[in-house]
Amino acid sequence: QKEVEQDPGPLSVPEGAIVSLNCTYSNSAFQYFMWYRQYSRKGPELLMYTYSSGNKEDGRFTAQVDKSSKYISLFIRDSQPSDSATYLCAMSVDTGGFKTIFGAGTRLFVKA
Amino acid sequence: ETGVTQTPRHLVMGMTNKKSLKCEQHLGHNAMYWYKQSAKKPLELMFVYSLEERVENNSVPSRFSPECPNSSHLFLHLHTLQPEDSALYLCASSQESSGRYTFGSGTRLTVV
Repeated sequence: QKEVEQDPGPLSVPEGAIVSLNCTYSNSAFQYFMWYRQYSRKGPELLMYTYSSGNKEDGRFTAQVDKSSKYISLFIRDSQPSDSATYLCAMSVDTGGFKTIFGAGTRLFVKA
Repeated sequence: ETGVTQTPRHLVMGMTNKKSLKCEQHLGHNAMYWYKQSAKKPLELMFVYSLEERVENNSVPSRFSPECPNSSHLFLHLHTLQPEDSALYLCASSQESSGRYTFGSGTRLTVV
């Protein structure tokens, strides 16, 4: 079983839709959860960084962590064509080490 | 500009060649990383340098050889690569082991 599972998509939605991106994981020791966005021919950029369970909101983006279900989500409200990218979830046990485990990424297309 | 610069952007090399990838960061971070990104696979951590010392070597074949001369520069020396080594090689930096990475745009490597 992979440590982190992420549906590769592609996911195609119309402009203005609410997008839900998800990851499941198997290691209950993960405490830090991240979402990265990667545009074509670019490196990933950090979108959201959360600790433990709960929600975190930043503009149109909301990150949600449910540690009891080992499930994390990224919601994008009022999606725009500029949101078209690959979204990578990532997680780590603590900040004392250097190992962050990434999902394979979900490719998102937002159609105008 | 992300603050992490990688050169070259594209590289085609034969299996008997020797080449080097270069990474430079101007963010004042003290940890630098090499990741390999293959299609539809999670990012694979290759090497980590913290305060110019290698702290992680993730069972990478010896045909990949990293070098970190100072906290701002990181190299990946390549020799006698195999076609399966073709991938996007990403450099990243962070402040300590925070998990908040800043990635470069990557070097697209093709081994022929």
